[in-house]
Order: sequence, then structure tokens, then C-alpha cells
Amino acid sequence: GDSVTQMEGPVTLSEEAFLTINCTYTATGYPSLFWYVQYPGEGLQLLLKATKADDKGSNKGFEATYRKETTSFHLEKGSVQVSDSAVYFCALTKVNYGGATNKLIFGTGTLLAVQP
Amino acid sequence: GAVVSQHPSRVICKSGTSVKIECRSLDFQATTMFWYRQFPKQSLMLMATSNEGSKATYEQGVEKDKFLINHASLTLSTLTVTSAHPEDSSFYICSARDQNWTSGSRTGELFFGEGSRLTVL
Repeated sequence: GDSVTQMEGPVTLSEEAFLTINCTYTATGYPSLFWYVQYPGEGLQLLLKATKADDKGSNKGFEATYRKETTSFHLEKGSVQVSDSAVYFCALTKVNYGGATNKLIFGTGTLLAVQP
Repeated sequence: GAVVSQHPSRVICKSGTSVKIECRSLDFQATTMFWYRQFPKQSLMLMATSNEGSKATYEQGVEKDKFLINHASLTLSTLTVTSAHPEDSSFYICSARDQNWTSGSRTGELFFGEGSRLTVL
């Protein structure tokens, strides 16, 4: 079945360091890919998304490119801040144009801790 | 973006009691809502799909008599944890899909509530 695999955390970085969180997926067809962020004590927020191969999602300095050839959607940021400390979830969903319901399939999440 | 609100955000109850959690879409209508459960240091696990005007669809292993879901209107779904026990303590999160997702170039984006933390003593 469809699945998402993320690198295990925690990832601990110093402020202004470069961030990469790996995400690979297994899915039939053409899924949409997402990164969600969960700050301490809060619900999930959509960080960025990409809907087709070679699309690049970006938001708040974070980027991820939909790579169909490697089935990957790695999250990157050039210079992290303490405020970026959170859990990051990679996810996929498959759009069913027949109108049937679909659901998000999440990776296990990666905790990012940024130290000043 | 669209707003999904959950209430209560935190609830503490005694073992054996029932707890109701509400999920509302505030600025759009949602024919479908999803209920997730998150265990500490683990990912979100889909519990059930809530369909407006019909029965919820439960994922394998989820007790439908334990976790009652009602989706009575296009803006409200409720999850009731019946006869709660300490092992039901968890973070419950709902998400809702804008019913217009099949039009234009929308990609089936889901919007999440802020979550409800249930602690059963």
C-alpha cells in the first residue's frame, strides 16, 4: 500500500545551519505531497505542498521538490531559526476525481530542535 | 486558508465517563472530515472518515462502538469517546476538506484543527 518514510529524529542543529529532512514515498499513480509542521502544543499546519513531478513547494524559507524519479520530497531550509523547532510530517494524498474520499498518509514525523 | 476549530482543546475526565470532541469548519462546508489520533512521539493514525449525513467509515482496528462519530451538518463533526479509559488518553485531531476540492486546480487540501488532548484518569 501507499506509505511515507521519513528520516528518524531528533535532528538537532545550531541556529543558521542548513536543514534537510528526508522523505520518500511509495504510491501508485500521481499523489500530491505535503509537509506539515506541528509546533509544541499545537495542531498541524500545512507548510508546503506539491501536486506534480518537478513542482517545488516553498513557504517561510522552506522548500521541497517533488522528485518522481527518486520518489522523494525532501524538506530543506538554508538557515534555520530557533522558532523553527517543531515536528515535521511528510504526507501524501491521492486525489480521486471520481469524488470518493481520500485521506492523508503521514510519515512518522521528525523532531527538529534548533539551538541558539 | 480555511479554518477548522476543535473544542475542547484539553479535557481531563475520570475513567468510565464519556467525552465529546467537536470539530467545526468555520468558513467552508465540509462533506468529509477525518479524525486522527496521535500517540506520543508517533505519527498521526487515521481513525475514521466522517461523512455528512451517513455513517462514518472506520479504519481497521478502530472500535466503532468506542469512538462514536456523528457528522450532522456540513460544518460539524463530533467524536465521542465512550466509557473512556486511561489507554484512550491521546491527542485527537480532526481535519476537513473543502467540498469544492474537485473544481479548478484544487488538490484535495485538508485543513486541520488545533487538536484536543484527552487525559483519562
